[in-house]
Amino acid sequence: AQSVTQLDSHVSVSEGTPVLLRCNYSSSYSPSLFWYVQHPNKGLQLLLKYTSAATLVKGINGFEAEFKKSETSFHLTKPSAHMSDAAEYFCVVRGNTGGFKTIFGAGTRLFVKA
Amino acid sequence: GAVVSQHPSWVICKSGTSVKIECRSLDFQATTMFWYRQFPKQSLMLMATSNEGSKATYEQGVEKDKFLINHASLTLSTLTVTSAHPEDSSFYICSASPTGLREKLFFGSGTQLSVL
Repeated sequence: AQSVTQLDSHVSVSEGTPVLLRCNYSSSYSPSLFWYVQHPNKGLQLLLKYTSAATLVKGINGFEAEFKKSETSFHLTKPSAHMSDAAEYFCVVRGNTGGFKTIFGAGTRLFVKA
Repeated sequence: GAVVSQHPSWVICKSGTSVKIECRSLDFQATTMFWYRQFPKQSLMLMATSNEGSKATYEQGVEKDKFLINHASLTLSTLTVTSAHPEDSSFYICSASPTGLREKLFFGSGTQLSVL
């Protein structure tokens, strides 16, 4: 069985400061992991994905995430927040066997203060 | 890149009517498609897995007679909300994986359903 937990329902940072959005997962098999962003009234946009290659994954808009198997974590980071980063972020786990079921985390709302 | 088209993008209907939402993979074949719903300020919840040529697999708590899923071809899956009620108002979104590339997942742009 798979599950994903986003540890913070909302995170608030000041513009120009680092961003950390936390995600822990559980999976019976080696999963694929994703981060998606959803801006208000818009669809989902893929930020980055981990599919068993390099553990440090770089995505769009300066975001990156590190897969840590020992900690079952896949935290999303960005060195310097921008106002346009304010959005809802979803950590997603996807099995690599059977039905390839995709499970979304509850989401983390990122607020960026000027 | 691969495109998944979802139609309509928004729909308003009267209570008791049925609404059909289409999900098409435009430039790839998709043996498997997924349907999700999202309540305001909440995460996406998987409703069902749609498999071409066979019955959909529904998640626990999802009424299969309420949410009819048909995946009649490799490029089209439909979700029909039957006898819609105001509590069915939600954002519905589909995703699709190219056949043979199941690690890839592409999302439609979603459908906002409002039931009056």
